[in-house]
Amino acid sequence: KQEVTQIPAALSVPEGENLVLNCSFTDSAIYNLQWFRQDPGKGLTSLLLIQSSQREQTSGRLNASLDKSSGRSTLYIAASQPGDSATYLCAVGGNQFYFGTGTSLTVIP
Amino acid sequence: SQTIHQWPATLVQPVGSPLSLECTVEGTSNPNLYWYRQAAGRGLQLLFYSVGIGQISSEVPQNLSASRPQDRQFILSSKKLLLSDSGFYLCAWSQIGAYGYTFGSGTRLTVV
Repeated sequence: KQEVTQIPAALSVPEGENLVLNCSFTDSAIYNLQWFRQDPGKGLTSLLLIQSSQREQTSGRLNASLDKSSGRSTLYIAASQPGDSATYLCAVGGNQFYFGTGTSLTVIP
Repeated sequence: SQTIHQWPATLVQPVGSPLSLECTVEGTSNPNLYWYRQAAGRGLQLLFYSVGIGQISSEVPQNLSASRPQDRQFILSSKKLLLSDSGFYLCAWSQIGAYGYTFGSGTRLTVV
């Protein structure tokens, strides 16, 4: 069974800092990897979707990379802002979608 | 464009009462549909998924059931709620292939 791990579980950074969130998975036979953002008490908002044939995707200040061979993905957030404070989840899609437990990010003004 | 609707947003129910949560998808046909639960401080747990009308797969044994009476409608039910059923319930859809998930806004269920 696929296992998805996100490190760190929580992260606090000052505004303006660049940061990296990590996601690792045990089974490299995946269709895609998706990064989500979840605000407290809200649903999941999709940030980036990387197909298995791709190595990265970019949207604004966000860049996600995928290395299937090593079972890793990173989400890079440039010039962090207080509005980026949320929980970030990665999910790996194979026959099913498997979620990590998330990284809780706090950006301090 | 595709949209997913989930209601109600919040629900407080007494132990032993029934439950019905509804999810509908617009702008697509034959979607894969999913129910997830997110307990406080824990990750997302897949409860049910469906690849077509009347086709339901259960991931964990529990006090809940799911039904798909129409192509774009997915219902989560319980005959008698337990305290442990409290949580944040999320509906999601995807298409077969290398596409990601789209989630609804969730239902916060509190069983008292």
